[in-house]
Amino acid sequence: GQNIDQPTEMTATEGAIVQINCTYQTSGFNGLFWYQQHAGEAPTFLSYNVLDGLEEKGRFSSFLSRSKGYSYLLLKELQMKDSASYLCAVPDSNYQLIWGAGTKLIIKP
Amino acid sequence: IAGITQAPTSQILAAGRRMTLRCTQDMRHNAMYWYRQDLGLGLRLIHYSNTAGTTGKGEVPDGYSVSRANTDDFPLTLASAVPSQTSVYFCASSDGNAYTEAFFGQGTRLTVV
Repeated sequence: GQNIDQPTEMTATEGAIVQINCTYQTSGFNGLFWYQQHAGEAPTFLSYNVLDGLEEKGRFSSFLSRSKGYSYLLLKELQMKDSASYLCAVPDSNYQLIWGAGTKLIIKP
Repeated sequence: IAGITQAPTSQILAAGRRMTLRCTQDMRHNAMYWYRQDLGLGLRLIHYSNTAGTTGKGEVPDGYSVSRANTDDFPLTLASAVPSQTSVYFCASSDGNAYTEAFFGQGTRLTVV
């Protein structure tokens, strides 16, 4: 079956770096998504990784290891506005997304 | 309209009543989705439509129905609401399938009492 695990909550300090992990189990693999969701708002797309390695987009980077079923989202130079939930998702065998429960990131001054 | 719009934003509904949540997109996306989001759980797919005229069942379809008469609209109907359907409902669309970026509506907060 399909399964995605993420930590429930993390706390970090403004200006610091934080790594949010995601492990997954799927019958096949067709990429992994990261979305950001601020409280009371809709999820918005951050990244999509299909190949192993690190992809950088400004302050945000996403890493994938297909052999380990593992991904992480790296956020640098944290800002208060980065306080949000970060959702990991993978397509299933029916070509629909399976979502992790999300990691709530709390940024402290 | 720019993007994807849901209505209503929030609703309190008596158990047993029928309710339709509306979703409209102006991006001409083929695929549309309905999710529910509950505290501590990930987004769970209720129903989806890969193209106008077709629909499919997701992970939690019971008690819900959808239709896709045209590209833009994808309403979700609760035939007879129950308290366990209290949730935040998100409609989403994508230009393709699950391998492409999804765009979400602002959500409908539904409380069934």
